[in-house]
Amino acid sequence: GAVVSQHPSRVICKSGTSVKIECRSLDFQATTMFWYRQFPKQSLMLMATSNEGSKATYEQGVEKDKFLINHASLTLSTLTVTSAHPEDSSFYICSARRGGKYEQYFGPGTRLTVT
Amino acid sequence: AQTVTQSQPEMSVQEAETVTLSCTYDTSESDYYLFWYKQPPSRQMILVIRQEAYKQQNATENRFSVNFQKAAKSFSLKISDSQLGDAAMYFCAYRRASEGAQKLVFGQGTRLTINP
Repeated sequence: GAVVSQHPSRVICKSGTSVKIECRSLDFQATTMFWYRQFPKQSLMLMATSNEGSKATYEQGVEKDKFLINHASLTLSTLTVTSAHPEDSSFYICSARRGGKYEQYFGPGTRLTVT
Repeated sequence: AQTVTQSQPEMSVQEAETVTLSCTYDTSESDYYLFWYKQPPSRQMILVIRQEAYKQQNATENRFSVNFQKAAKSFSLKISDSQLGDAAMYFCAYRRASEGAQKLVFGQGTRLTINP
């Protein structure tokens, strides 16, 4: 149990376009979902925390107008990178949590390349 | 603010031997959770082991065990009988236990290589 999926696994887009990444909890209801960014050989950097039905809470330094997060249901959260630029190229990972003392379960990640 | 430090960027071990990965953290909280996550080349984060701070007994999961020293704020991971599949990045992580506390704070990671 506790499986989290992400789609797509890889995406290439042109500079200036927007791209949407989906994160789904497949076998549990996620009260909270998290979005991370990971640069090569580095740790995970938390971008934002989202609770179902409410606005996401962004970490300091993360542009909320650029990285739009929607958590419309207990099993789906989306991250939209708007007006993407080459510096947005990275590995994006989502995780989901049921609440209480349960740990976060991570998706397999999405590699975004902006050309 | 809580911080997690992994002072070993890289470690290597011979297959079948034992290796210990270090992690220290800083917090003023008394109740919290500590985790070790594994990230293999596939980049999928996998939970290896979890420790609840109020429990004195060190957590164990098969070949994986921790040495939790609360006073020293140390949380090391011991991997016994190392296998080639253990090769990965290992991240130590902290989370407060209080209601509503949800963020994981990650260390910088340790890359573990297993030599056949």
